Amino acid sequence: GNSVTQMEGPVTLSEEAFLTINCTYTATGYPSLFWYVQYPGEGLQLLLKATKADDKGSNKGFEATYRKETTSFHLEKGSVQVSDSAVYFCALSNTGNQFYFGTGTSLTVIP
Amino acid sequence: KAGVTQTPRYLIKTRGQQVTLSCSPISGHRSVSWYQQTPGQGLQFLFEYFSETQRNKGNFPGRFSGRQFSNSRSEMNVSTLELGDSALYLCATGTGRDTEAFFGQGTRLTVV
Repeated sequence: GNSVTQMEGPVTLSEEAFLTINCTYTATGYPSLFWYVQYPGEGLQLLLKATKADDKGSNKGFEATYRKETTSFHLEKGSVQVSDSAVYFCALSNTGNQFYFGTGTSLTVIP
Repeated sequence: KAGVTQTPRYLIKTRGQQVTLSCSPISGHRSVSWYQQTPGQGLQFLFEYFSETQRNKGNFPGRFSGRQFSNSRSEMNVSTLELGDSALYLCATGTGRDTEAFFGQGTRLTVV
């Protein structure tokens, strides 16, 4: 079946620190992989995506590489800002509009 | 262009009542999916509609139902509400031809 395992939080970092949030997946076929971000009281916003092995998704300084050999899609950012404080969800989709989400990782960045 | 619109944003209902939530997709999107988000269970897939037909369904009881209209707007209905139905309900819309989806801000349902 399809599932996503995501690093447990919460994560607290100082501004300008390096961020890694681990994500591994189990899937049938060749899924697309996503990172979504959720700010308090809001829905999910697409942060980045990758649709095939070795693709690198990037946006707003965040990056993640689709690693088929390790079934991973870890999120990284070189220097976090206070405005990056949010909950981050790793997700996969095999077809259409059906997503499988990880449990979410809460990130707090302190000045 | 306009994003995904969910109405209402907040709802308070009593146990045993029923509720209808609405999702208006981005123009041109024909696929609408619904998710339930709770602190304990996280984000769980309810169902997906494409061109007025239910295409996929998650593991929820029959009290949860949905439909999609010819203009791609979708409604979700929950009957005989239980306290455990309190959650943020999110819809996501897409073209249906790829796996990219855009989420609305959600409807926060509280059952008392």
